[in-house]
Amino acid sequence: GAGVSQSPRYKVAKRGQDVALRCDPISGHVSLFWYQQALGQGPEFLTYFQNEAQLDKSGLPSDRFFAERPEGSVSTLKIQRTQQEDSAVYLCASSQGAGELFFGEGSRLTVL
Amino acid sequence: AQKVTQAQTEISVVEKEDVTLDCVYETRDTTYYLFWYKQPPSGELVFLIRRNSFDEQNEISGRYSWNFQKSTSSFNFTITASQVVDSAVYFCAHIERDSSYKLIFGSGTRLLVRP
Repeated sequence: GAGVSQSPRYKVAKRGQDVALRCDPISGHVSLFWYQQALGQGPEFLTYFQNEAQLDKSGLPSDRFFAERPEGSVSTLKIQRTQQEDSAVYLCASSQGAGELFFGEGSRLTVL
Repeated sequence: AQKVTQAQTEISVVEKEDVTLDCVYETRDTTYYLFWYKQPPSGELVFLIRRNSFDEQNEISGRYSWNFQKSTSSFNFTITASQVVDSAVYFCAHIERDSSYKLIFGSGTRLLVRP
């Protein structure tokens, strides 16, 4: 597609379940980012990939969060043993090098 | 430390009014970039503008204009003759040179334009 695609758009999980969120960036974009946006807040940086290399994961809130981009295109953000505080919108963005970030519509996670 | 403050949580105006969204930033660096993004109800963040810290010229794009003032660390955004379609959450964001990829966002200003 022409833009950044994220799935699922909505996910409801019971506390303790594992979830996986997928991001399909714009074709050819080298850089990929994950952001977490809590209700009523601005997005907060989670992690950054350049091709398949994860260059910065300083924003991941705990070791329950894991991201990968094995072939340098599609990325998956995995959250293990979800907690209520993980409820948020998870935004993926991609860019061509240091250029403008293009964001997807996000995956809204609700943990009950 | 980097910080972006958008003190206005929510603004409501009537269509055709002008509205200014405030943004104040904190930075240690002399080289940085400032951004504005729009987030409509669909959720995706739409890029509006990027400014380099060395370029203090104000910019106008149609009904949108931006006022960058280094002396007050502000990068305000004005919408002239607002329209209902301008209703969205607007975020100001910042990147420092030594972290040329990590956007720091403000908490956003929700703009409601009433017909």
